[in-house]
Amino acid sequence: AQSVAQPEDQVNVAEGNPLTVKCTYSVSGNPYLFWYVQYPNRGLQFLLKYITGDNLVKGSYGFEAEFNKSQTSFHLKKPSALVSDSALYFCAVRENYGQNFVFGPGTRLSVLP
Amino acid sequence: EAGVVQSPRYKIIEKKQPVAFWCNPISGHNTLYWYRQNLGQGPELLIRYENEEAVDDSQLPKDRFSAERLKGVDSTLKIQPAELGDSAVYLCASSLQQGLNTGELFFGEGSRLTVL
Repeated sequence: AQSVAQPEDQVNVAEGNPLTVKCTYSVSGNPYLFWYVQYPNRGLQFLLKYITGDNLVKGSYGFEAEFNKSQTSFHLKKPSALVSDSALYFCAVRENYGQNFVFGPGTRLSVLP
Repeated sequence: EAGVVQSPRYKIIEKKQPVAFWCNPISGHNTLYWYRQNLGQGPELLIRYENEEAVDDSQLPKDRFSAERLKGVDSTLKIQPAELGDSAVYLCASSLQQGLNTGELFFGEGSRLTVL
């Protein structure tokens, strides 16, 4: 069965500093990996995805993520954090065509001014 | 392009009462999902439709939950009777699946249910 872990419940970073939100996954086949962001009282918004190809994926709002197959990780990164990046971030995995998306428990990012 | 539309946004009911949530997916999206999100947790799948067919309802508590997707477009999720533990946000999402292309999910704003 597929699963996703986000080892940090909370990440705090100062504005202007780089940020990393960690994600590891477990699938038996090839993973399709996704990052979503959720602001208070809102639905989830798509940030980026890895399907195949270059391990470094660039997405919305300056975010990027690096797929590492040997470490089964897909960490979300941003070179310079903004206060407006403060939100809940979810990593998700999908295994093969026709399978469901499985979401991690979420990481709350707080960017301090 | 209009996004996924859900209603109502908020619903407060007493336990044992029925409740229904409605979802209109993005036009042309053939796959529709209902997720439940408890406070501070990630979304958990309840049911997935491909067109009008429920292809995965293994996580749907069928004794009290039901869903339908008429004509493969709009969908309704119903709870009857509601229990205290059903308090959560119910999220609808849609995607376009074409062959092996894994389209990302597009979510609605969610319907927040409070059962008293």
